[in-house]
Amino acid sequence: AQKVTQAQTEISVVEKEDVTLDCVYETRDTTYYLFWYKQPPSGELVFLIRRNSFDEQNEISGRYSWNFQKSTSSFNFTITASQVVDSAVYFCALSENSGNTPLVFGKGTRLSVIA
Amino acid sequence: DAGVIQSPRHEVTEMGQEVTLRCKPISGHNSLFWYRQTMMRGLELLIYFNNNVPIDDSGMPEDRFSAKMPNASFSTLKIQPSEPRDSAVYFCASSLGLAATGELFFGEGSRLTVL
Repeated sequence: AQKVTQAQTEISVVEKEDVTLDCVYETRDTTYYLFWYKQPPSGELVFLIRRNSFDEQNEISGRYSWNFQKSTSSFNFTITASQVVDSAVYFCALSENSGNTPLVFGKGTRLSVIA
Repeated sequence: DAGVIQSPRHEVTEMGQEVTLRCKPISGHNSLFWYRQTMMRGLELLIYFNNNVPIDDSGMPEDRFSAKMPNASFSTLKIQPSEPRDSAVYFCASSLGLAATGELFFGEGSRLTVL
């Protein structure tokens, strides 16, 4: 079974629309870490956020926000007022065992923002 | 500061040839990871090192793959002999410890094409 599921393979939105990328994870550990990375067309992976399982407070960074819900094992990512530069593949990842295991990535969601 | 440096950025080779991919982690980072990215399987962990010692190589596909980390500033991933199904983007990443300590920094990747 996949530990990190990103059910949306591809999403297209028109510029200025809001978009939410879903991430569902699976773990038996009580302490774990969740991440989001962005992979723009240039190919490198860019870190966006790291979240401890004990911190369920939602986080906002500019146009980006993250909704962590342990009850549904989800860590969703919302981009508000999307821009063309947001076009990329976005990966959700999990590190179990109190963060002492390497990151396991979901298959990614390709976001296309159309002008 | 320099990030994770990988070489070559692109490699085209013929089936049966030996391929060596190189990685220089961020100075001071003590954990190093090799990931492979393909369309079908996404980002897969191949192997990771902690303080230059291989910790988990269960993701290495088969005996044709080998990885070394002779010192804290250099690692190689070797494929011998290469096969067309090895075609992928290979990422090296480094971090200070594992997820509990901080984020994972990725190199720009080495795109391998085996004809």
